[in-house]
Amino acid sequence: GAVVSQHPSWVICKSGTSVKIECRSLDFQATTMFWYRQFPKQSLMLMATSNEGSKATYEQGVEKDKFLINHASLTLSTLTVTSAHPEDSSFYICSARVPTDLAKNIQYFGAGTRLSVL
Amino acid sequence: SQQGEEDPQALSIQEGENATMNCSYKTSINNLQWYRQNSGRGLVHLILIRSNEREKHSGRLRVTLDTSKKSSSLLITASRAADTASYFCATDTTGTASKLTFGTGTRLQVTL
Repeated sequence: GAVVSQHPSWVICKSGTSVKIECRSLDFQATTMFWYRQFPKQSLMLMATSNEGSKATYEQGVEKDKFLINHASLTLSTLTVTSAHPEDSSFYICSARVPTDLAKNIQYFGAGTRLSVL
Repeated sequence: SQQGEEDPQALSIQEGENATMNCSYKTSINNLQWYRQNSGRGLVHLILIRSNEREKHSGRLRVTLDTSKKSSSLLITASRAADTASYFCATDTTGTASKLTFGTGTRLQVTL
């Protein structure tokens, strides 16, 4: 089955520092990956769509300079939270679609990254 | 914007009972999917139903779709403690360029 690996699973950082989260498709190539944010006991909010070899598409209200996305290869997308502040503390989840099954738009998710900014 | 609304928000049942959760959405869809999320983990795809389908089965899961009412339901039969998780519906909405819009989720607790 399609496996998406996300790293790290948990990170604690000081306010003002930057944190990079990696999302890898392990057994398939993903031209598109998605980054979500989830608050406790709430739903997933799509932050941006990561496109291999081109700029990410950000959702309305998401700061591009705050959440930098790089999709430099067909198996890796990274999300960098720049100058993190306590309000950025959240659960970040990535997902990807299998290219042979794009019509169904089923997404395969990483295990998530819990970010705590002190 | 959050399209799907699910109810109940939380559901507690005993092992062996059936669990039913509902999802409503607002716009035209290509398909509707259900995902499961264990606490602190990513989501796992459970089942997909296309807009021209009315019912789908997969193991102990039964999904219905009523496009006239813009609603779907997920039934888990003979629930087990291991079914304890949050369940989300997600709509693949026409014209949204591959985005999925997730519902608010139902937290299911199955007790022994």
